[in-house]
Amino acid sequence: NAGVTQTPKFQVLKTGQSMTLQCAQDMNHEYMSWYRQDPGMGLRLIHYSVGAGITDQGEVPNGYNVSRSTTEDFPLRLLSAAPSQTSVYFCASSFIALVGFAGYTFGSGTRLTVV
Amino acid sequence: KQEVTQIPAALSVPEGENLVLNCSFTDSAIYNLQWFRQDPGKGLTSLLLIQSSQREQTSGRLNASLDKSSGRSTLYIAASQPGDSATYLCAGGLGAGGTSYGKLTFGQGTILTVHP
Repeated sequence: NAGVTQTPKFQVLKTGQSMTLQCAQDMNHEYMSWYRQDPGMGLRLIHYSVGAGITDQGEVPNGYNVSRSTTEDFPLRLLSAAPSQTSVYFCASSFIALVGFAGYTFGSGTRLTVV
Repeated sequence: KQEVTQIPAALSVPEGENLVLNCSFTDSAIYNLQWFRQDPGKGLTSLLLIQSSQREQTSGRLNASLDKSSGRSTLYIAASQPGDSATYLCAGGLGAGGTSYGKLTFGQGTILTVHP
């Protein structure tokens, strides 16, 4: 089924480890974003991309890197995991339709625990 | 900085009741507003999207309105059912065009419980 696929669904990391959260979409959407969701904080934008080769920072970018080498993939890299990065991470994609912005489609999330 | 607030934080209603969820935003330059549903432990499901040039959108028992001048959006759910129980999130998109399309600012959500 077409959509946004995130892997892994669950991950436990030790402090200081690095890892990459994968996000892939097969809808040829130009816009992709990463959000984190924390209790009491809602969803906050980490990084986003408006097309292959173009990325920008969101509200909480520190400790995370992204790249967009293809339209389909938008991986999120944790450089040196910290307990404060324990969260649920969502990837989303969208496009500009004739009527305007088409709204985002979200993946099912990655639940990350840093110990 | 765009801020989005949702009221109430939680709502419990009997089955069959019509209800309204509220969303307010601080920046009237909003480009679009999207309502999502999130079930416990799950991702977000898009319900309705309202472009800045529109006043409302409808899908089945759901109706969402947007009033940019007052900085408000409402989600109306008619004849609520237990299956509607979930967290409802609204998110505003900035309207400067170009790369700003990629940014959504979320409210913290309304937890809805519909009991039989």
